[in-house]
Amino acid sequence: EIVLTQSPGTLSLSPGERATLSCRASQSVSSRYLAWYQQKYGQAPRLLIYGASSRATGIPDRFSGSGSGTDFTLTISRLEPEDFAVYYCQQYGTSLTFGGGTKVEIK
Amino acid sequence: QVQLQESGPGLVKPSETLSLTCGVSGYSIRSGYYWAWLRQPPGKGLDWLGNIYHSGTYRNSSLESRLTISMDTSKNQVSLTLKSVTAADTAVYYCARGRYCNGDSCFFDFWGQGILVTVSS
Repeated sequence: EIVLTQSPGTLSLSPGERATLSCRASQSVSSRYLAWYQQKYGQAPRLLIYGASSRATGIPDRFSGSGSGTDFTLTISRLEPEDFAVYYCQQYGTSLTFGGGTKVEIK
Repeated sequence: QVQLQESGPGLVKPSETLSLTCGVSGYSIRSGYYWAWLRQPPGKGLDWLGNIYHSGTYRNSSLESRLTISMDTSKNQVSLTLKSVTAADTAVYYCARGRYCNGDSCFFDFWGQGILVTVSS
C-alpha cells in the first residue's frame, strides 16, 4: 500500500498569503496519478486537482498542483477567505489511498 | 449536473448490518463510470471502501468479508451493505463518482453530502 504523508499538519496563514502544501508518497506514484481535495467543515470533499496538475471543472486558477514520483505540492497563490479548510491528497496509481490532511487555518 | 444523495438509518446496533443507498440524478449509472463508497470517521481522514462498475466490484481488502456493493440501474442507485458492524464503523459515509478508473484505482469528481452512521446500542 502506498502511504501518503501530508505536511504540515496545520498551516496558519492570513488572507492574501501563499499556501504551499506537501504530499509525500512512500513509493513512486505511477503516471502522476495524484489528486487533491478541499473539505470544509460539515461538507463533502471537493475535487480540486487530478493528474497532479490538472484543475477540475470550476476550480479557480489560484489553485495549482505540481510534482511527480514521490513528491507533490498543492499551491494556493493568494488565500481567499473561503480557502480556509482541510486539504487531502489521494493517489490512484496503485489501488487508492488518501493522505492524512493539512488544515489551513486563519492566522 | 450530477447529484448524489445518500440515505439510510443514522443508528445501527453493534453486530447488525448497515445498509445505505445512494440515489444518482443527472446521469444514468447504466451509461458508465465507476461509483464508489468512502467513509470518514469523526475527526479523521478519508477511507475508500469500494467501487462498482457494470462489470464488477472492487473492495478494500480490509472490509472484503463484510462489505457488499451493488447497483440497481432501474432505480439509478448504488447500495452498500456492511455486516457485523462495530463502533469502529461509526463514520460519515459518502458515495462518489469515480473518474479515470482502473479497477480499484480512481479519483472522485462528484460526491454526495454524506450521511452520519453511528454504531451504538
